[in-house]
Amino acid sequence: GAVVSQHPSWVICKSGTSVKIECRSLDFQATTMFWYRQFPKQSLMLMATSNEGSKATYEQGVEKDKFLINHASLTLSTLTVTSAHPEDSSFYICSARDSGTTNYGYTFGSGTRLTVV
Amino acid sequence: DAKTTQPNSMESNEEEPVHLPCNHSTISGTDYIHWYRQLPSQGPEYVIHGLTSNVNNRMASLAIAEDRKSSTLILHRATLRDAAVYYCILRDVSFNKFYFGSGTKLNVKP
Repeated sequence: GAVVSQHPSWVICKSGTSVKIECRSLDFQATTMFWYRQFPKQSLMLMATSNEGSKATYEQGVEKDKFLINHASLTLSTLTVTSAHPEDSSFYICSARDSGTTNYGYTFGSGTRLTVV
Repeated sequence: DAKTTQPNSMESNEEEPVHLPCNHSTISGTDYIHWYRQLPSQGPEYVIHGLTSNVNNRMASLAIAEDRKSSTLILHRATLRDAAVYYCILRDVSFNKFYFGSGTKLNVKP
């Protein structure tokens, strides 16, 4: 089945630095990928839609200058958390759908645990 | 985005069937009903989805009410590995986005 890989699975960074998270579709092409974040004991919150070859669209309340998204190829989207602060510590998850099928199941990555100290 | 309502938690005994309900009274005619589950510190896993008719797959069954305002995920024989948070999600066919609700935390007792 379709596999989405996220890297790294966890990262610790210092306050004020930037962190890049990668999301790759391993065996399919994805023109659209989605980024979520999840705080402890809460549900997933959609942050943005990543579109291959064009600008990402952000959900209301999500700072696009803080969470930079790049979708340069059909198999890779990256999320960069710029000038990270402790309140950005969260579980970040991406998802994608195989553009080449009519199966509307979305595949999620295993997530990236970001801790800002 | 259409909203879903699920019980916060449910409990089941191992080897018994589990019926997880979901209300989506504001569903539109083109919204698909998706179910995903999430284990701790993992990404959500696809379980099943449907539009109008009941659906079966190797993991579960999905029963959709005739008016589509509610649905039920059925796990036929719960195992300890089925303990997870189950999310019922409506997918807007126009935007293809998933907005997660609060989900149901399923606890399976041995």
